[in-house]
Amino acid sequence: GDSVTQTEGLVTLTEGLPVMLNCTYQTIYSNPFLFWYVHYLNESPRLLLKSSTDNKRTEHQGFHATLHKSSSSFHLQKSSAQLSDSALYYCALPRNMGYKLTFGTGTSLLVDP
Amino acid sequence: DMKVTQMPRYLIKRMGENVLLECGQDMSHETMYWYRQDPGLGLQLIYISYDVDSNSEGDIPKGYRVSRKKREHFSLILDSAKTNQTSVYFCASSRDNNNQAPLFGEGTRLSVL
Repeated sequence: GDSVTQTEGLVTLTEGLPVMLNCTYQTIYSNPFLFWYVHYLNESPRLLLKSSTDNKRTEHQGFHATLHKSSSSFHLQKSSAQLSDSALYYCALPRNMGYKLTFGTGTSLLVDP
Repeated sequence: DMKVTQMPRYLIKRMGENVLLECGQDMSHETMYWYRQDPGLGLQLIYISYDVDSNSEGDIPKGYRVSRKKREHFSLILDSAKTNQTSVYFCASSRDNNNQAPLFGEGTRLSVL
């Protein structure tokens, strides 16, 4: 069945360094779409990015990601980490192209001064 | 104002007690969800509701049931709560379109002692 893998449970960075959070997926569908959610402590998880077409970059709030069907990946990147980026990040895939979202296990990003 | 509201935000119950978690949304979204969030496991789908009285099991429905009698309201019920149901529970809603990312509530932190 459809699945999402986030290999890093915790990423610790110094402010100003680039961010890359990994997300790979498995699905039988030829044109999947994926989401990145960000979850700040004591807030609601909220949508950060949604994938576009194959090899097309999408951007929001300084973050960007590109869907690569050839490698089944949708990694989240940012050129320069800020303290306020410290949060839990989830990659998610609509299962069977339906309404049930499958979430990865999440990556906690901790940005130090 | 587009919002998913969860009540209560914090709840402490004893093992064997019944638990009712409430969720409301003001957007007339057809689809609503209940997820639980646990460290290292991410967000796991408990139940999904496609509309009034049209509910479907998610990945971890055991020990839970749901009720949706009005489109704007979706309840999660734990009959005879167990200690392993201690978790943070999130409700979400989305339009009837598999292209839509669900909007999440702020969560209910449940402790079962």
